Amino acid sequence: DTGVSQDPRHKITKRGQNVTFRCDPISEHNRLYWYRQTLGQGPEFLTYFQNEAQLEKSRLLSDRFSAERPKGSFSTLEIQRTEQGDSAMYLCASSSGTDNTEAFFGQGTRLTVV
Amino acid sequence: AQSVTQLGSHVSVSEGALVLLRCNYSSSVPPYLFWYVQYPNQGLQLLLKYTSAATLVKGINGFEAEFKKSETSFHLTKPSAHMSDAAEYFCAVSPSSGNTPLVFGKGTRLSVIA
Repeated sequence: DTGVSQDPRHKITKRGQNVTFRCDPISEHNRLYWYRQTLGQGPEFLTYFQNEAQLEKSRLLSDRFSAERPKGSFSTLEIQRTEQGDSAMYLCASSSGTDNTEAFFGQGTRLTVV
Repeated sequence: AQSVTQLGSHVSVSEGALVLLRCNYSSSVPPYLFWYVQYPNQGLQLLLKYTSAATLVKGINGFEAEFKKSETSFHLTKPSAHMSDAAEYFCAVSPSSGNTPLVFGKGTRLSVIA
């Protein structure tokens, strides 16, 4: 098992462009989470999935953000019309969905909007 | 609603000295509590978790934490700091067993001085 994988690790984009990030969870983990972390802050919850169903979305997730997990395996997070305030580390995590388990985090995608 | 407060955004200790990182939580239900460590440009790694079993929890790398309900605290300690412990530490709370989104504190950066 290679752990949670995120791609790309770094992304620099111009303001107004669209970007898409991918997360591959640990195999057979049915829960997948997206968090955003800005400099000097802890991760903030964005959204999460149980298999392909999106169970909850944070108020941080504006209408420019969309997340999918079409087959209940990998997930994508898209940001449309990026703004400088979107610059952050985007973290993905997965868990097995059973009691007393933990979330395993990927290494994150660092987005810089210039 | 749940929240976490980490006292001290930066803690500096000498190598071999006691490490104490403070975390206080607020929760309307019995909480599940976690400590994660993050190295530069990396994701988060679980150090330890409290899931309503023993109040003194032992984790990896010699860290431990004690759940004190009366003080709503879950402070992280290590008897003797090592240079490799220098990192960012995050306390997090969840209303269930770890299969719901985590609420993180703002983090404490630990520096270890030789």
